[in-house]
Amino acid sequence: GAVVSQHPSWVICKSGTSVKIECRSLDFQATTMFWYRQFPKQSLMLMATSNEGSKATYEQGVEKDKFLINHASLTLSTLTVTSAHPEDSSFYICSASPTLGNEQFFGPGTRLTVL
Amino acid sequence: QKEVEQDPGPLSVPEGAIVSLNCTYSNSAFQYFMWYRQYSRKGPELLMYTYSSGNKEDGRFTAQVDKSSKYISLFIRDSQPSDSATYLCAMTKSGNTPLVFGKGTRLSVIA
Repeated sequence: GAVVSQHPSWVICKSGTSVKIECRSLDFQATTMFWYRQFPKQSLMLMATSNEGSKATYEQGVEKDKFLINHASLTLSTLTVTSAHPEDSSFYICSASPTLGNEQFFGPGTRLTVL
Repeated sequence: QKEVEQDPGPLSVPEGAIVSLNCTYSNSAFQYFMWYRQYSRKGPELLMYTYSSGNKEDGRFTAQVDKSSKYISLFIRDSQPSDSATYLCAMTKSGNTPLVFGKGTRLSVIA
């Protein structure tokens, strides 16, 4: 149990295009999901906290108009990187916390490369 | 002082050794403590989850939390080459608040 999936697992796009990443909790409901990015050999950096049915809370320095987060259901959150640039290339990982629980389970990550 | 301190290593041990990993933290409000294992280019995998102080054992893994000292540990017995990964400690006040991570310790188990 407690499986979180992400789609796509990797994506390559041209500069200026938008990319949507999906995060799904497969066997539990998650009121809260989190989005992280991770650069090589570094720890995870929290980008935003996503609560079902409400606006996401962004960390300082994260542009909310560039990284659009939607948490429309208890099992799905999406992150859209708008007008992507090469500096947005990174490993994006989501995590989900069960509505009845305190653990956090991570997805497998999405590797984004912007050319 | 960072909220969570973790020695980044790298740590290299022979196969079969007992590995000790640890983190210290400064925020006494943390109640939930987790250890994750992350292989290269993969998402973190939850290994151990502990609430408040105490010990928890699961197979070759033992997690310890000492809230009075603000110190948590993960022990790996009979380490295997497949245990080679980065180990991240993480903690939080509750399930709907973000995790605060250590930097991660890179472990290599040499056959």
